[in-house]
Amino acid sequence: EIVMTQSPATLSVSPGERATVSCTASQTVRNKLVAWYQQKPGQAPRLLIYAASTRATGIPARFSGSGSGTEFTLTISSLQAEDFAVYYCQEYHDWPLFTFGPGTKVDI
Amino acid sequence: EVQLVQSGSEVKKPGESLKISCRGVGYRYTSNWIAWVRQTPEKGLEWMGFIFPGDSETRYSPSFQGQVTMSVDTSISTAYLQWSSLESSDTAMYYCATHVTVVAFDLWGQGTMVTVSS
Repeated sequence: EIVMTQSPATLSVSPGERATVSCTASQTVRNKLVAWYQQKPGQAPRLLIYAASTRATGIPARFSGSGSGTEFTLTISSLQAEDFAVYYCQEYHDWPLFTFGPGTKVDI
Repeated sequence: EVQLVQSGSEVKKPGESLKISCRGVGYRYTSNWIAWVRQTPEKGLEWMGFIFPGDSETRYSPSFQGQVTMSVDTSISTAYLQWSSLESSDTAMYYCATHVTVVAFDLWGQGTMVTVSS
């Protein structure tokens, strides 16, 4: 089973700034099958990015994903007020099996 | 509108049984895996298992094998997660999720909060 770790656990940023969240897998994730989710309090997770770098439908362009192998990154180019949330990475290279990372809280 | 609609919050006592549901609306229900995910403050998001409505194939996470049972009724596009004997450690938010337009979980239910307390 792949173990996903994220850093930092908490990221304090100001509106308009750039935010970068890192995700490291314990072994190579084949075919870059990593997704990123956003979760706000009281809501279900929402898919932001899949296949490491493809934005899901309706996701603003300020969200981008990159990476391969064991290192993956979510970048929010200019944080908006509505972006303050918890972000999770997920590997799913053995679809439909998957593993989530522990989450990164992005706050002010 | 495409959505997964979950049953409402539950408060139960240890040892009681429970069955929660997840109904699919607006997409081809039998073609997509349904995942169940548990969320707790201590452990975050954990996958519990999957069911494929087309043939009821199930796969359980080793952590949840034998602890829960997944089932589906395709006639009403509804998946179920059930416990025969709840424990306080089952207190959590439970989500169902599926893949509709991409190979990733792009559709989630609103969650069902289960509280187990004496």
